[in-house]
Amino acid sequence: KQEVTQIPAALSVPEGENLVLNCSFTDSAIYNLQWFRQDPGKGLTSLLLIQSSQREQTSGRLNASLDKSSGRSTLYIAASQPGDSATYLCAVRGDMRFGAGTRLTVKP
Amino acid sequence: NAGVTQTPKFQVLKTGQSMTLQCAQDMNHNSMYWYRQDPGMGLRLIYYSASEGTTDKGEVPNGYNVSRLNKREFSLRLESAAPSQTSVYFCASSLSSWGAFFGQGTRLTVV
Repeated sequence: KQEVTQIPAALSVPEGENLVLNCSFTDSAIYNLQWFRQDPGKGLTSLLLIQSSQREQTSGRLNASLDKSSGRSTLYIAASQPGDSATYLCAVRGDMRFGAGTRLTVKP
Repeated sequence: NAGVTQTPKFQVLKTGQSMTLQCAQDMNHNSMYWYRQDPGMGLRLIYYSASEGTTDKGEVPNGYNVSRLNKREFSLRLESAAPSQTSVYFCASSLSSWGAFFGQGTRLTVV
């Protein structure tokens, strides 16, 4: 059974910092890994999708990496802004299991 | 461009009542999912359907039933609602190994 863990559970940083969010999974037989953003009381917005054959994906200030052999993915956010404040979730496919998320606060 | 549509958006039930949450997608996706989200616990998979006519249990299926009515629609039924089923429910769809798209959620309260 796939287990997905996200560390840290919460993170507070000053504006402008670069930061890394972590996602680990126990079963490396995955199709892909997807990072989402969720604002309070809202649905999920897809940020990046990494196929199992890829090692990283980039979109603007976001970069996600995938290391299947070690069961890890990281989401790198460059030059953080207050508008980045949200909960970030990773999902592993297989059957789309989620981590509990990292709640990010970026202070002005 | 509707994407994934969930109805209703809000619902209050009394303990023991039944209801069906509806989900429809217009992207011709083969896979559909139902999740519940509780504070501090992320999203937990209730049921999923890899293709029309098939359904499988996820992490927390007890107390729920699903129907994949056709390729577009995947419904979630609570036969006898309990306070422990108070949660936000999300439906999602995806195409094979491509990314998933989510509905806006249904906020359910069972009193």
